[in-house]
Amino acid sequence: GPKVLQIPSHQIIDMGQMVTLNCDPVSNHLYFYWYKQILGQQMEFLVNFYNGKVMEKSKLFKDQFSVERPDGSYFTLKIQPTALEDSAVYFCASSLAHWNYAEQFFGPGTRLTVL
Amino acid sequence: GDSVTQTEGQVALSEEDFLTIHCNYSASGYPTLFWYVQYPGEGPQLLFRASRDKEKGSSRGFEATYDKGTTSFHLRKASVQESDSAVYYCALSGGGYQNFYFGKGTSLTVIP
Repeated sequence: GPKVLQIPSHQIIDMGQMVTLNCDPVSNHLYFYWYKQILGQQMEFLVNFYNGKVMEKSKLFKDQFSVERPDGSYFTLKIQPTALEDSAVYFCASSLAHWNYAEQFFGPGTRLTVL
Repeated sequence: GDSVTQTEGQVALSEEDFLTIHCNYSASGYPTLFWYVQYPGEGPQLLFRASRDKEKGSSRGFEATYDKGTTSFHLRKASVQESDSAVYYCALSGGGYQNFYFGKGTSLTVIP
């Protein structure tokens, strides 16, 4: 089936640094999502993105977070500056239409460790 | 706020056993309910969804029925196989431009 890729699979950085997580969504999809999963806890919705804009975001989507998809390339999640509590696995997803009408396809996740 | 509560932790069964993973939700109106499965090293994959009371979702021998009266969407399979070993997530969407909520996940191990 359709595949979502995430780069890198693991990232270790020092607190206060900037990090960019990259997602290569399914080619004809229009909606893009980021989720965060802290070890042992449930996956939590961060943000979704459509037509160049953030459509919905949760309270976990702090001011230090930003998303973009310049010129149809990677869909990125940038955290600047990072904090210890940002350590988690981040999952990207994409869908052809909004999640109420179309299946979300998830990537394998990027494990971020903030030291 | 909206939430999902499912059988927590790990479930171990033998092949051909009957599986039930409980999922109860809290939401106003008629949320869309989902079951996802996640295999090691992969992201979650949609098993199926349901949007209306008494609607049954099914895929790969798994099924669940949307029950608004008991606010439940329990996952069942009559005879599990070793290949069903994975983490299963119940999830809901409240509709419109609202958040998407996952349960904590249930890790299923099927022993051959």
